[in-house]
Amino acid sequence: DAKTTQPTSMDCAEGRAANLPCNHSTISGNEYVYWYRQIHSQGPQYIIHGLKNNETNEMASLIITEDRKSSTLILPHATLRDTAVYYCIVRGGGDKIIFGKGTRLHILP
Amino acid sequence: NAGVMQNPRHLVRRRGQEARLRCSPMKGHSHVYWYRQLPEEGLKFMVYLQKENIIDESGMPKERFSAEFPKEGPSILRIQQVVRGDSAAYFCASSAAASGTNTGELFFGEGSRLTVL
Repeated sequence: DAKTTQPTSMDCAEGRAANLPCNHSTISGNEYVYWYRQIHSQGPQYIIHGLKNNETNEMASLIITEDRKSSTLILPHATLRDTAVYYCIVRGGGDKIIFGKGTRLHILP
Repeated sequence: NAGVMQNPRHLVRRRGQEARLRCSPMKGHSHVYWYRQLPEEGLKFMVYLQKENIIDESGMPKERFSAEFPKEGPSILRIQQVVRGDSAAYFCASSAAASGTNTGELFFGEGSRLTVL
């Protein structure tokens, strides 16, 4: 079973920041937080991952709380192409990925 | 650097036939994962392989399904005597070995869509 809890769906206006929350209260010390997304029926796309520090790359930022029990993925300027299902996953390095139901993000024009 | 390549992208089979799905991992990747996605459902883990070894097959159905990743060539997911319930998208992912600061993130192919008539 997935070890994370995410809202089923969210809406965000185009051009605004999309903030996607994730709870992972049972995360263990050696597990990372990963984010993937799946656009329509394409293959899942890696977005970002982190252990305990906040991370940023060209796609998104990842904010992890100090106790590591929750995190937020931030898409700074959402576009229509960001409409997708976003998956928050906790995973020890090298382990398989178990997908939950994710958050269906709708970007509104 | 080519990504994960899957073929065929679309496959149609009649009940009772065999389906073979192929996955070529990214260059330098020695780990392969297979996932299945039924229509309107989430991604379900099937099997994790390294070269010539099955590491975790906890998600594989007990019958009719098998997977291999030979020393040379692509990984193959084989479904014997297909039934309508096997109709799904099958995704392959690959990763490098996790070591040091490399956590072995997975990179996915575009999937093979199997339709069983």
